[in-house]
Amino acid sequence: QVQLQESGPGLVKPSGTLSLTCAVSGGSISSSTWWIWVRQPPGKGLEWIGEIYHSGSTNYNPSLKSRVTISVDKSKNQFSLKLSSVTAADTAVYYCARDGLFCSSTTCHRMFDYWGQGTLVTVSS
Amino acid sequence: DIQMTQSPSSLSASVGDRVTITCRASQNISSYLNWYQQKPGKAPKLLIYGASSLESGVPSRFSGNGSGTDFTLTISSLQPEDFATYYCQQSYSTPRTFGQGTKVEIK
Repeated sequence: QVQLQESGPGLVKPSGTLSLTCAVSGGSISSSTWWIWVRQPPGKGLEWIGEIYHSGSTNYNPSLKSRVTISVDKSKNQFSLKLSSVTAADTAVYYCARDGLFCSSTTCHRMFDYWGQGTLVTVSS
Repeated sequence: DIQMTQSPSSLSASVGDRVTITCRASQNISSYLNWYQQKPGKAPKLLIYGASSLESGVPSRFSGNGSGTDFTLTISSLQPEDFATYYCQQSYSTPRTFGQGTKVEIK
């Protein structure tokens, strides 16, 4: 059973950089899946931030691309999120998750099948 | 970006009711559509992937249907533990996008 655990500061100052790490256990980060970050502002919906493959390939949400960096550390079986120049609008619960893959004889589907419990990051002075 | 629109935004229902939530994509996404359930203070939980495939361990009262741009999530007989917020999400292209959510409340 794959488990994910987010860690990092719960309070970040405006204009600072938000840094979070997601530790993966029960499975290898080098498996044939992508790993993602999703956030959820208080009382609002879900926003996909971006994804990383164990090779280091990344895709980011264009709305955040200029401020986001996702990286992977295969030796520690973990991946990380950095979001720079944060404002109060970046206050949210941040989740890491696995973008799993299921293939039938005709097609493959990807889905967010394992999630961390989430960590609240507040941007405030 | 592909826009996902859910309806209704909220609904009130009783235990035992049949409930249907609709999700519409702004372009054809074939069957690349997933559904999640989220309870307060918890991470989302995968219910349905590929528009209609039930995730392992999810009760059979949940079902998904649709392809192209129009999709539905149906709960055949609402149970007390099903009161939650439901999200659709497209896996056709990046950026991955979610619907705004449908909150299912107790009548």
